[in-house]
Amino acid sequence: DADVTQTPRNRITKTGKRIMLECSQTKGHDRMYWYRQDPGLGLRLIYYSFDVKDINKGEISDGYSVSRQAQAKFSLSLESAIPNQTALYFCATSDFTGAGELFFGEGSRLTVL
Amino acid sequence: KNQVEQSPQSLIILEGKNCTLQCNYTVSPFSNLRWYKQDTGRGPVSLTIMTFSENTKSNGRYTATLDADTKQSSLHITASQLSDSASYICVVSVNSNYQLIWGAGTKLIIKP
Repeated sequence: DADVTQTPRNRITKTGKRIMLECSQTKGHDRMYWYRQDPGLGLRLIYYSFDVKDINKGEISDGYSVSRQAQAKFSLSLESAIPNQTALYFCATSDFTGAGELFFGEGSRLTVL
Repeated sequence: KNQVEQSPQSLIILEGKNCTLQCNYTVSPFSNLRWYKQDTGRGPVSLTIMTFSENTKSNGRYTATLDADTKQSSLHITASQLSDSASYICVVSVNSNYQLIWGAGTKLIIKP
């Protein structure tokens, strides 16, 4: 089994719908992140969490919300999806030691029609 | 403005050949520089992480170099294999391990 698991892997939805992407990890890391990847652009940070009670906005948090349900679970919600949120979304984890190497999930491809 | 620029955008080479990918950054304060490999449709996987004091770091056939004075890094791939076909992403950490500036990546295609 993968250390960082994302569900769903693919989702097609319509404008205005609420969408939740889920992430769970078995690495025992405290830190979890949600990134967005668009063609031709670098990954952009949406939200990050350093602990269960800690939530922080990244550079592109507008239109998104997150929930850290447990140390191992971090979900990303789009309250009312719009077409320009069509992208590949990645969850990642890291520990707090050293350089904080990131470990990524396999990605969730979201298409908003 | 903190930026990471990579070149070339894409590269095609024959199997068995070597190649070098470039990364220039304008990031301050610098913490570390990372190279990731991303297979199509998969999550990025770390290749190397280098701090300010490290000039070279190897991971198998991958060798990364860092020149902190000129703010340049390179990733050299030796004796390329078909499985090296991927995007290679340069990432610079801004004085912490959660503020990362990501390059757009170099798409490398290895042909038999």
